Amino acid sequence: ETGVTQTPRHLVMGMTNKKSLKCEQHLGHNAMYWYKQSAKKPLELMFVYSLEERVENNSVPSRFSPECPNSSHLFLHLHTLQPEDSALYLCASSSSPLNEQFFGPGTRLTVL
Amino acid sequence: KNEVEQSPQNLTAQEGEFITINCSYSVGISALHWLQQHPGGGIVSLFMLSSGKKKHGRLIATINIQEKHSSLHITASHPRDSAVYICAVRSPLFGAGSYQLTFGKGTKLSVIP
Repeated sequence: ETGVTQTPRHLVMGMTNKKSLKCEQHLGHNAMYWYKQSAKKPLELMFVYSLEERVENNSVPSRFSPECPNSSHLFLHLHTLQPEDSALYLCASSSSPLNEQFFGPGTRLTVL
Repeated sequence: KNEVEQSPQNLTAQEGEFITINCSYSVGISALHWLQQHPGGGIVSLFMLSSGKKKHGRLIATINIQEKHSSLHITASHPRDSAVYICAVRSPLFGAGSYQLTFGKGTKLSVIP
């Protein structure tokens, strides 16, 4: 149990669907992150939130829309995705953006 | 942009062997992380270090700032150590307050009984 949970664990969606990924941390951390991990490629940072404010946006296409309603919850809203968006999406949290990060189990996304 | 290279890409070892995984980077950093990713995707942070050496159980991480190089050692390896080990660096060149981590591609370790 890492203290960071993600739902769903697996998601299959069509290119016209709208879905959301959810992340919740039970560690009292102030920073939360979304990462994308594609096959054969290194982890890529997508977004960073610190105290519910977005502090980093790594040139991510607008079809990915993050939301951080409070310091414990982070969402990634998905719409009109492409097959190349199929990947493992990982959420992480830390006590501050410069500290050690704790990862969730990930959501395996397949876009058909 | 910082380039992070890990070696080897794949490593197979017999149970009990001493294992070393290397990470080199191209630009000065403020911190280096070692992460472990098991099949299925879950990632665990093993170490965060900015100088010297850290030890946790059978795992040892070292960093040489001048040579821009870090090593992760596993003593008395065990099949449960089989995983992908990932190096990530935070570079001050991204600016004060930047939270960007640059990741290596990972080293896949298989420990055979």
